[in-house]
Amino acid sequence: SQQGEEDPQALSIQEGENATMNCSYKTSINNLQWYRQNSGRGLVHLILIRSNEREKHSGRLRVTLDTSKKSSSLLITASRAADTASYFCATPRTGANSKLTFGKGITLSVRP
Amino acid sequence: NAGVTQTPKFRVLKTGQSMTLLCAQDMNHEYMYWYRQDPGMGLRLIHYSVGEGTTAKGEVPDGYNVSRLKKQNFLLGLESAAPSQTSVYFCASSGLAGVGEQYFGPGTRLTVT
Repeated sequence: SQQGEEDPQALSIQEGENATMNCSYKTSINNLQWYRQNSGRGLVHLILIRSNEREKHSGRLRVTLDTSKKSSSLLITASRAADTASYFCATPRTGANSKLTFGKGITLSVRP
Repeated sequence: NAGVTQTPKFRVLKTGQSMTLLCAQDMNHEYMYWYRQDPGMGLRLIHYSVGEGTTAKGEVPDGYNVSRLKKQNFLLGLESAAPSQTSVYFCASSGLAGVGEQYFGPGTRLTVT
């Protein structure tokens, strides 16, 4: 069954605006990761947040984790056209920390 | 460091043909993974390996076999290709099981006619 599910499925914003993407999951996790995939390319790791962390920053990225609600959000501030990509959240599979479950992804379009 | 590389980048097969996809990583990672990505389905795990000489089934293993004879290489084989195996295949590696990031290759686009 799907562990991480992203919301919305697609998002279109103007350059300079902020983009917020959400991920919900079902079972307890020890970390949650966000990845980006540009068209025709492999996934690239963006950020990892551990279960004992509530917020983490990396450049223009801000990730929050609410373990009580089993949800995470990825905020991209001051978006650029180059941020146009698909974004995935990933969580370790229940009882199998060697494997990740990926959501179906969010397609972000940033209009110049 | 090349990271994770995949060979070939594109391939067209006829139904029933066989082929092997090669994944290589130069980061000395223990864990390696094969995924397929289909529109609307996200990434699905086919097989994975937790170290040299080991392999295990993932979510969608049927029709595929794998081997990890050397730590740096992870091979994915299709013995008798079917149109349902048309997909983009990604290999990934990780140095830390579950708690670390996965590094992905550029993908192989496979079409089975």
